Amino acid sequence: GNSVTQMEGPVTLSEEAFLTINCTYTATGYPSLFWYVQYPGEGLQLLLKATKADDKGSNKGFEATYRKETTSFHLEKGSVQVSDSAVYFCALFSGGSNYKLTFGKGTLLTVNP
Amino acid sequence: DTGVSQNPRHKITKRGQNVTFRCDPISEHNRLYWYRQTLGQGPEFLTYFQNEAQLEKSRLLSDRFSAERPKGSFSTLEIQRTEQGDSAMYLCASSGTGGGNQPQHFGDGTRLSIL
Repeated sequence: GNSVTQMEGPVTLSEEAFLTINCTYTATGYPSLFWYVQYPGEGLQLLLKATKADDKGSNKGFEATYRKETTSFHLEKGSVQVSDSAVYFCALFSGGSNYKLTFGKGTLLTVNP
Repeated sequence: DTGVSQNPRHKITKRGQNVTFRCDPISEHNRLYWYRQTLGQGPEFLTYFQNEAQLEKSRLLSDRFSAERPKGSFSTLEIQRTEQGDSAMYLCASSGTGGGNQPQHFGDGTRLSIL
């Protein structure tokens, strides 16, 4: 079956530090890949997506590149801010008629001033 | 685009009671999804509607759970005879037509606590 594995959290960084959150996946076919962010007390917001190999998704300074050879979709940001503190979820859609997303467990990021 | 709206935001009830949650999707979206999220986990798929038709149900959705989407607009999720293990955040999402790369837009969820 499909699965998503994210690096264990929590991750604690100082403001302006470089961020990497690792995500690897197992799926049939060629999945579409997503990063969602969840701020405290809120639902999930789409951060970025990539739909085919070597695509790079980007938004708000965050980037992730779809690497088929390593089945990875690592999230990066060059300089984090306190406002980036949230839980980040990697997810995939691997086809099928129900369009369901399969999520990783999430990684809590805390950015200190 | 007013976003996906879920009500109530919080529900506290005693074990054995029935509860019902409501989801209003983005108006032009014909696909609607329910997920369940427990503490420290990612959301898990429960069920999916295209318009008013319920096309998929996860094995997580026991026979105590029922979901409807009359007229293909809002949806309700009912849990009968609630159990302690039903305590979770219930998330609703919607998306438009197109392939699976159409992003799903999530509501803020309903947090259910069973006493």
